[in-house]
Amino acid sequence: DGGITQSPKYLFRKEGQNVTLSCEQNLNHDAMYWYRQDPGQGLRLIYYSQIVNDFQKGDIAEGYSVSREKKESFPLTVTSAQKNPTAFYLCATGQGKKTQYFGPGTRLLVL
Amino acid sequence: QQQVKQSPQSLIVQKGGISIINCAYENTAFDYFPWYQQFPGKGPALLIAIRPDVSEKKEGRFTISFNKSAKQFSLHIMDSQPGDSATYFCAATHSRGGTSYGKLTFGQGTILTVHP
Repeated sequence: DGGITQSPKYLFRKEGQNVTLSCEQNLNHDAMYWYRQDPGQGLRLIYYSQIVNDFQKGDIAEGYSVSREKKESFPLTVTSAQKNPTAFYLCATGQGKKTQYFGPGTRLLVL
Repeated sequence: QQQVKQSPQSLIVQKGGISIINCAYENTAFDYFPWYQQFPGKGPALLIAIRPDVSEKKEGRFTISFNKSAKQFSLHIMDSQPGDSATYFCAATHSRGGTSYGKLTFGQGTILTVHP
């Protein structure tokens, strides 16, 4: 986990509500990623960013939005358009096109 | 073509035994294959990684075997310990050129349980 902070650890969302998950890193890595993990499934890429003020959709971007205003920060917003948001959300960083390092995760639950 | 298929889904091994997890891929452009270990409620941690120009890489009790012609690679955990009980993910990416900057394609994961 070292160097990557995700908050909160648990997050509860009411129906129709947008919620934002925080990801901060002090590794000075250029690239940052958001993944979603569902029980018994692998990691699916939501969004990724190679550089400040630039980001690309991953495989399951619908219902999510991101911003990359600072190198250290890559927040993920789960919008009300995401109908099945309950999952474990993982932020990762990387330098170069190989190894990614993951944060401790945020578990999102729907009330 | 982007899939990485991982098996088995779950694995039970006795302490001291060998755990073997297999992965297969289709995309011949993949040139970097990491394995991640994830404990419950935690983020995945990089365990060991290999490039296709070598057939085997060993780090402690963990070994990756790579078969380029078959497009398969596997993780072997020797002398498995209860503390190795975790979910293991294989992954693949292509690290040279292209627009998929650092995009890892993950296998579905294997839940390993090592009994004492």
